[in-house]
Amino acid sequence: DIQMTQSPSSLSASVGDRVTITCRASQSISIYLSWYQQKPGKAPNLLIYTTSNLQSGVPSRFTGSGSGTDFTLTISNLQPEDFATYYCQQTYSAPETFGQGTKVDIK
Amino acid sequence: QQQLQESGPGLVKPSETLSLTCTVSGGSITSTYYYWGWIRQPPGKGLEWIGNLHYSGTAYYNPSLKSRVTISVDTSKSQFSLKLSSVTAADTAVYYCARVVWFQSGLGSHDYWGQGSLVTVSS
Repeated sequence: DIQMTQSPSSLSASVGDRVTITCRASQSISIYLSWYQQKPGKAPNLLIYTTSNLQSGVPSRFTGSGSGTDFTLTISNLQPEDFATYYCQQTYSAPETFGQGTKVDIK
Repeated sequence: QQQLQESGPGLVKPSETLSLTCTVSGGSITSTYYYWGWIRQPPGKGLEWIGNLHYSGTAYYNPSLKSRVTISVDTSKSQFSLKLSSVTAADTAVYYCARVVWFQSGLGSHDYWGQGSLVTVSS
């Protein structure tokens, strides 16, 4: 299985901050990397697919980049509704695997 | 707007079979472009992929669960189902169904999700 490792596991930030979350794959996954946002008690919400494509309806302050084994999710101008847990997911080879999550909370 | 809704028992006894159904509305379950998947999340933990199914019957499963999992589809009811046999307390989780926009080999991003169904395994 391809292991996905996110860093940091948690971070504290303020409204208006720029936040960067990193996801590293244990082997190359080309561009087959997605990002999800999950709020407590809710299903995950797809933010970005194939590394850098913004899902319809997702604000443009969310951007994704990377390729191969190293990927980044950046949230510019953090908004109150962005405090949540973020997961990366590889869909390069079965089984699909997720990172352990990064919790973004209020400083 | 695609909508998915899980249904099934919230409590299952150890060694028995967990059964959940996902009802799809707002679009066709027989679209060539999508698979239909199950993901679970133990309380307070991360996400685990269970498997994806195409309406044609092609399925991909997580090898760690494959011996116990069956995902099937009933196109006449616009539903797909999950069966997980020989459950233990470790299978206690919120189970989500989701639509899969597949890129290759039946794997892809999950763009629409059900609200989740908590299944507790306990006697």
